[in-house]
Amino acid sequence: DTGVSQDPRHKITKRGQNVTFRCDPISEHNRLYWYRQTLGQGPEFLTYFQNEAQLEKSRLLSDRFSAERPKGSFSTLEIQRTEQGDSAMYLCASSLGFANTGELFFGEGSRLTVL
Amino acid sequence: TQLLEQSPQFLSIQEGENLTVYCNSSSVFSSLQWYRQEPGEGPVLLVTVVTGGEVKKLKRLTFQFGDARKDSSLHITAAQPGDTGLYLCAGATGANNLFFGTGTRLTVIP
Repeated sequence: DTGVSQDPRHKITKRGQNVTFRCDPISEHNRLYWYRQTLGQGPEFLTYFQNEAQLEKSRLLSDRFSAERPKGSFSTLEIQRTEQGDSAMYLCASSLGFANTGELFFGEGSRLTVL
Repeated sequence: TQLLEQSPQFLSIQEGENLTVYCNSSSVFSSLQWYRQEPGEGPVLLVTVVTGGEVKKLKRLTFQFGDARKDSSLHITAAQPGDTGLYLCAGATGANNLFFGTGTRLTVIP
């Protein structure tokens, strides 16, 4: 399968714990996006990478959220000291090119439940 | 904060009926995309519109980008149960951001 893959698909954690999600984009794609989606709502933009550079991170929800893409390939999204309000689906998407009119290819998401 | 408001939020119709979904904003977008999302999956691109006033057709789906590039509509003719899903518009601003709308959940009843 050469699509976008995310791991884990499901994560249940206790409040206060740290969680990390991994995204492997389509191999030749240089752009990588992270979104958060709550039930029945549209995805909410979190951050964006072009190759290894994080070009937009002002939309990260708080300083507990951080993302990396160290070698311009896979990316990780970490949430520290999780809160119940962090429960959501975290979607990763990748695209090819240098404009934001290209098609975004999404992974199946990582669903987080904070107890 | 959602820049794009979609209406209606929910829509339940009988097979064979026509419907229109609206995507509105006070912001101007350089381009606008429509995606469809099914449960447990990520959104899948349906179309990209770039020029104000542009109309694109994809089988029974017709997409229009407003003249001022602030709004868009999706019209489905003779809806089928396979059209059921969450329809999302997404607007591009600047060079880096793609913001999604609030979504319209469509159910087509056989």
